[in-house]
Amino acid sequence: DIVMTQTPLSLSVIPGQPASISCKSSRSLLHSDGKTYLHWYLQRPGQSPQLLMYEVSSRFSGVPDRFSGSGSGTDFTLKISRVEAEDVGFYYCMQGLSFPFTFGGGTKVEIK
Amino acid sequence: EVQLVESGGGLVQSGGSLRLSCEASGFTLSSRWMNWVRQVPGKGLEWVSRINLGGDRTEYVDSVKGRFTISRDDVRNTLFLQMNSLRVEDTALYFCARDRSWNAYDVWGPGTMVTVSS
Repeated sequence: DIVMTQTPLSLSVIPGQPASISCKSSRSLLHSDGKTYLHWYLQRPGQSPQLLMYEVSSRFSGVPDRFSGSGSGTDFTLKISRVEAEDVGFYYCMQGLSFPFTFGGGTKVEIK
Repeated sequence: EVQLVESGGGLVQSGGSLRLSCEASGFTLSSRWMNWVRQVPGKGLEWVSRINLGGDRTEYVDSVKGRFTISRDDVRNTLFLQMNSLRVEDTALYFCARDRSWNAYDVWGPGTMVTVSS
């Protein structure tokens, strides 16, 4: 199984300041079609997860442009350029390349 | 509005069975691969199962293979998860999730809670 490792476990951020979350996979997520199947989700308190980014850096519909994703192979990063109150919750990376699909352990983002 | 709503969760004894349902609205279920994902309260997310268009190809996480069966009824626009031989460690909130492509899940239901007692 591909193991997904996220750091840090938690972040406390002043509103308006940037935040960055790292996700590392135990194997490359690059498919032979040239795409990399690494996705990011946000689970706000008491809510279901929601898709933020797919295929590393494509922002899902309605996701603010303060969110960006980058990386390749086994190392990926989700960045929030200016954290807002609505960004609090747990962030999960997930690999959609091979079975079983696996999630990172999650990063809790809270407002300082 | 595109929506998924799960039902069928509850309290069951170890060894028992439950059948979860996920009703889709606002889109045609037959057009999408579908998944079940679970979450132990206070813990992270775990992918459980996936079914393809047409329902002839299914995949499972190893821990549920041989015990859980995913299926779909595209006429009723409903996804199912038959859960047999339930174990205490299956206790979790079960979400159904729509696959946008390559396992990027763009629509999630609110979840249905399954509690297995020993």
